[in-house]
Amino acid sequence: NAGVTQTPKFRVLKTGQSMTLLCAQDMNHEYMYWYRQDPGMGLRLIHYSVGEGTTAKGEVPDGYNVSRLKKQNFLLGLESAAPSQTSVYFCASSYSRVAFFGQGTRLTVV
Amino acid sequence: TQLLEQSPQFLSIQEGENLTVYCNSSSVFSSLQWYRQEPGEGPVLLVTVVTGGEVKKLKRLTFQFGDARKDSSLHITAAQPGDTGLYLCAGPTGNQFYFGTGTSLTVIP
Repeated sequence: NAGVTQTPKFRVLKTGQSMTLLCAQDMNHEYMYWYRQDPGMGLRLIHYSVGEGTTAKGEVPDGYNVSRLKKQNFLLGLESAAPSQTSVYFCASSYSRVAFFGQGTRLTVV
Repeated sequence: TQLLEQSPQFLSIQEGENLTVYCNSSSVFSSLQWYRQEPGEGPVLLVTVVTGGEVKKLKRLTFQFGDARKDSSLHITAAQPGDTGLYLCAGPTGNQFYFGTGTSLTVIP
């Protein structure tokens, strides 16, 4: 069972570079989320989607963009990476108010 | 933002000891959840409590939802090294999940 798969698992970027994080789920869930996790701050919602073709801002959306062109995929983009975006990023999908998470992407911006 | 504050932030105990983790908010939630996250992994749901005053048991773990539905607690009896991890409370609200600040538990053999 694949569940929620994130790629890549690790990445180092230089300030100003761009990148896209890919999230894929095989559970046919409508809802998908991107969170960042920083020490002492729990999980903070960046963007989310309630279905194919829809996206919405979460708590900390600045500096990020997302797209949900296919139901199973949710992409998170950083157009110009900043050191403040160093974090662990988690994708999740949900069904019946239960969240299922990927294994995370550890991103370091130098 | 509906803040969920957890305490303590860090907890290091000896195997066999008991412990309680708290999750508090000024907001009312229709339900609260507890997730456990192991190093290098994403959080995994342990339990959902939906009724004020509700108590649920999962082996050595006991979860309680406050009467006013603003707080919850997780009690672990006779902790084992396998309980080590980050415990997160969460409040599903509308289309979103609000997560607590987390409690990092280390159980020393």
